[in-house]
Amino acid sequence: QQQVKQSPQSLIVQKGGISIINCAYENTAFDYFPWYQQFPGKGPALLIAIRPDVSEKKEGRFTISFNKSAKQFSLHIMDSQPGDSATYFCAASKGGGGNKLTFGTGTQLKVEL
Amino acid sequence: NAGVTQTPKFRILKIGQSMTLQCAQDMNHNYMYWYRQDPGMGLKLIYYSVGAGITDKGEVPNGYNVSRSTTEDFPLRLELAAPSQTSVYFCASSSPGEVNTEAFFGQGTRLTVV
Repeated sequence: QQQVKQSPQSLIVQKGGISIINCAYENTAFDYFPWYQQFPGKGPALLIAIRPDVSEKKEGRFTISFNKSAKQFSLHIMDSQPGDSATYFCAASKGGGGNKLTFGTGTQLKVEL
Repeated sequence: NAGVTQTPKFRILKIGQSMTLQCAQDMNHNYMYWYRQDPGMGLKLIYYSVGAGITDKGEVPNGYNVSRSTTEDFPLRLELAAPSQTSVYFCASSSPGEVNTEAFFGQGTRLTVV
C-alpha cells in the first residue's frame, strides 16, 4: 500500500523555468511533510518541510504548497538551475512516532541549459 | 562534524552469506533508522530505534536484524543474503520533538547479492 504517491517520475525543465512536483497522501494522521533532495551517490538531504497548519512555505527558490482538504502537497522550484538536477522525494510522517518517514517514489529532475 | 557514517560503501555478497552494515552518528540523536532504496520505489523503512536497547520493525523487516546497544551505533545484520536484498541501504538519525525534526542520512551502502 503506497501511502504517499508522487508524480511525475521524471521531469525535464529549461534553465530559468519552474519545476513542479506533486504528492498526495492517504493517512490523515500525517503532520509533517518534508521534501528531500538526493544527488547521485549521496544520501537524501532535507530541502524544505511544512506542517499542515500553513498552506505555503517558501525558502529561497523553493516553495511547498499544501492543500489539507485535498491531501496534496507540491514542491515548486523557481528559476530552475542545472545545479538543481537531482532526485526529489516527498515524504510524510506523524508525530509521536519519531520521524518514521513514508517516502514517495521520487522524481528525477533534469534542468537543461 | 561527521554526521551519519556508514560502512562499507560497497559490498558484493554471495547468496547465503551474511554481513553487518555499520552505522554511527555523532549528533547524539535518539532516533535512528535503516531504509533501503530501490529504483523507482523510493525509500522503504526496514527497522528503527528510538533509543539504546529499543528497536522496532518498519515496513520491510524480513531478512534483517538490528541491535542498538549505544546511542551512537545502529548496525543492520543480513542473514542468509538473497538477490532480493540487492539495494542501496541508508542509515538516518534524528531528534524527537515538534521542532527541527530533520532526519540526517548517511551516504549509503550499495549491496549486490549474486
